[in-house]
Amino acid sequence: NAGVTQTPKFRVLKTGQSMTLLCAQDMNHEYMYWYRQDPGMGLRLIHYSVGEGTTAKGEVPDGYNVSRLKKQNFLLGLESAAPSQTSVYFCASTGTGLPSREQYFGPGTRLTVT
Amino acid sequence: DAKTTQPTSMDCAEGRAANLPCNHSTISGNEYVYWYRQIHSQGPQYIIHGLKNNETNEMASLIITEDRKSSTLILPHATLRDTAVYYCIVRSRNTGTASKLTFGTGTRLQVTL
Repeated sequence: NAGVTQTPKFRVLKTGQSMTLLCAQDMNHEYMYWYRQDPGMGLRLIHYSVGEGTTAKGEVPDGYNVSRLKKQNFLLGLESAAPSQTSVYFCASTGTGLPSREQYFGPGTRLTVT
Repeated sequence: DAKTTQPTSMDCAEGRAANLPCNHSTISGNEYVYWYRQIHSQGPQYIIHGLKNNETNEMASLIITEDRKSSTLILPHATLRDTAVYYCIVRSRNTGTASKLTFGTGTRLQVTL
């Protein structure tokens, strides 16, 4: 199993450009999450999904959109990138059947907006 | 979810036990204590969790006080590879919360020779 994978690993955008970050998991997990992490800080939840076709807002959703068209994929979109969105983005997933429901994290995407 | 308080940083000599404290004085009866760690900006990694009993796995031990207001993560024989930021997180057992985690700033553990 690859676990949770994220593409791309790095990206540089100019202000106003758009892009989509892809998260994929092969563990048949129901729940998926997008977090951002700024330097010296903990992770903050952007959006999450409790199943295919569902999405919900997290702590810091402004400026982002998400879609969960397939159970294994969770996409994070930036329609008009801003320098404040420079961050490391982590995707995670968890299954409802696990007793602990621990979250499995991807390796991260480093995004710089200039 | 209850908030947690952790020291900003700690040092530990390689081969010694690392004891990382966490205060969660407002924890409620239906909330777990979880520990994750993040090694050098990689994705966080689950370590262990508990409700009220002490727990042990291949990575660590978790000691929860009887009143559940604080806990300690113990790495019995720390190695240089255990250098990381350790996050103590309190999470509701309620399935309606979608298993969401709220990360603080954690404790930066530096293991030295």
